[in-house]
Amino acid sequence: EAGVTQFPSHSVIEKGQTVTLRCDPISGHDNLYWYRRVMGKEIKFLLHFVKESKQDESGMPNNRFLAERTGGTYSTLKVQPAELEDSGVYFCASRQGSMNTEAFFGQGTRLTVV
Amino acid sequence: DAKTTQPPSMDCAEGRAANLPCNHSTISGNEYVYWYRQIHSQGPQYIIHGLKNNETNEMASLIITEDRKSSTLILPHATLRDTAVYYCIVRVVYSWGKLQFGAGTQVVVTP
Repeated sequence: EAGVTQFPSHSVIEKGQTVTLRCDPISGHDNLYWYRRVMGKEIKFLLHFVKESKQDESGMPNNRFLAERTGGTYSTLKVQPAELEDSGVYFCASRQGSMNTEAFFGQGTRLTVV
Repeated sequence: DAKTTQPPSMDCAEGRAANLPCNHSTISGNEYVYWYRQIHSQGPQYIIHGLKNNETNEMASLIITEDRKSSTLILPHATLRDTAVYYCIVRVVYSWGKLQFGAGTQVVVTP
């Protein structure tokens, strides 16, 4: 069974450009999460989808970040325009519907804004 | 969710048991203790979780004190591949699953 897959693995963009990160969760997992770790900081929650609906987006830093999950399958996280402080590793995780199941994480996308 | 406190780092000899402590003195009765780890350049990986009973799986054992204010993750026979940052996370039962990561414990397994 395929795990959580994230694309791209690395991205280097200039300040002011747009970047879109993609996450393919494990098939059948209704719950999808985005997290990120910026340099020197702890891993922080960004948002949570249940199917195609945003359940919790309390961790989204500002309106330059837009997450979508059309059709309740894969998800994208767009940063527009990117700023230097957005550099870090963005993780996606998915989980089955039952409340107490564990989350499976992808390998992450390392974003560098220069 | 309750906060957790872990030592910032610890070393362990290969083949020996690694005992990772975690304090969660403000834990509520409806909160699980979860352990994840992050091996360098990989995403976090689930290890084990428990509510109040001790738990064991193929990766580790989790010992939770009777008052639930602390727990210990035990890696019975540490290998070099167990070198990672280990996170102790407390999460409400039947919650939506958001995880609050702290700084974790950097475990280095040495030959």
